[in-house]
Amino acid sequence: KQEVTQIPAALSVPEGENLVLNCSFTDSAIYNLQWFRQDPGKGLTSLLLIQSSQREQTSGRLNASLDKSSGRSTLYIAASQPGDSATYLCAVNAQGGKLIFGQGTELSVKP
Amino acid sequence: EAGVVQSPRYKIIEKKQPVAFWCNPISGHNTLYWYLQNLGQGPELLIRYENEEAVDDSQLPKDRFSAERLKGVDSTLKIQPAELGDSAVYLCASSWGAGGYQETQYFGPGTRLLVL
Repeated sequence: KQEVTQIPAALSVPEGENLVLNCSFTDSAIYNLQWFRQDPGKGLTSLLLIQSSQREQTSGRLNASLDKSSGRSTLYIAASQPGDSATYLCAVNAQGGKLIFGQGTELSVKP
Repeated sequence: EAGVVQSPRYKIIEKKQPVAFWCNPISGHNTLYWYLQNLGQGPELLIRYENEEAVDDSQLPKDRFSAERLKGVDSTLKIQPAELGDSAVYLCASSWGAGGYQETQYFGPGTRLLVL
């Protein structure tokens, strides 16, 4: 059974810092891995999708990596801003559309 | 382009009452998903539709939960009767295809249910 774990559960950093969020999964047989952002009271917004054959994806200040062999992914946020404050969720697509989510990392970026 | 629409946004009911949630996916999206999100947790899939067909409902508690997507467009999720433990956020998502290697899902804002 696929399990997804995110560390840390919460993170507080001062504005301008670079930071890394971690995600691990137990079964390497995945279609893709996705990172989502969730703001309080809102739905999820897709940030990055890494296909199983890829190693990383970049979008602006965000960079996500995937190492299937070790069952790990990281989300790197450069030069963090207060507007980056949100919960970040990692999800693996393990069965053609069935996303299995981690519990999320709650990020707070302080001015 | 309109995103995934859900209603109501909030619902408060007493236990044992019925409740229904409605979702309208992004136009042209064939696949629709219902997720349950408990406080402090990631979403968990309840049911997935490809057009009108429920292709994965293994996580749906069928004794009290039901869902339908009659014309392959909008969908309704129902709970009858509701229990205290059903208090959560119910998220709807959609995607164009069946969720392949390159495909992401687009989420609605969710319905927050509180059962008293």
